[in-house]
Amino acid sequence: DGGITQSPKYLFRKEGQNVTLSCEQNLNHDAMYWYRQDPGQGLRLIYYSQIVNDFQKGDIAEGYSVSREKKESFPLTVTSAQKNPTAFYLCASSDRGSVNTIYFGEGSWLTVV
Amino acid sequence: GIQVEQSPPDLILQEGANSTLRCNFSDSVNNLQWFHQNPWGQLINLFYIPSGTKQNGRLSATTVATERYSLLYISSSQTTDSGVYFCARETTDSWGKLQFGAGTQVVVTP
Repeated sequence: DGGITQSPKYLFRKEGQNVTLSCEQNLNHDAMYWYRQDPGQGLRLIYYSQIVNDFQKGDIAEGYSVSREKKESFPLTVTSAQKNPTAFYLCASSDRGSVNTIYFGEGSWLTVV
Repeated sequence: GIQVEQSPPDLILQEGANSTLRCNFSDSVNNLQWFHQNPWGQLINLFYIPSGTKQNGRLSATTVATERYSLLYISSSQTTDSGVYFCARETTDSWGKLQFGAGTQVVVTP
């Protein structure tokens, strides 16, 4: 079935460590996105990519990095520079230029211990 | 200022009741969408509605772009309607990016 797979579902990170969240889609979408959600709040855009080998910063990119080497994959690295990384992370994809077709993964919970 | 504002922040409904959720936005939009997030975190795209009215089963939505608001109607609510409802906008200045409101937490009790 077509969809978006995020892994891991739950992740614990020690302070000072980098961690990478995986996002894979088989919807043949050109655009992919990473959002962060804090408790009781809406989603905030971290990074997005409209096409392979190209990506742009969203509203809260500091402390995060991404790559887009393949159309299907858009991994997010939460670096040690991100001071408050504990959150729910959602990956999404859409047709290029048609964010109304956006489809979300099931999310990854990251906790700093 | 707040660019996408949702009200009410919380809503408790008895099964079978109707309700209206509101989304106000500060600038003109070329895209306005409604999403439902279930208790397990999955976000589902409900409506793409930059203007006009759409209906999907017990849910319907109306956007009045000239007055910068959108409404989501839930009729004959069911416990499966519980979760958080978000509206999100895309503007001409933020093409390809959605800006989300803080959401309305809905609890439907049996």
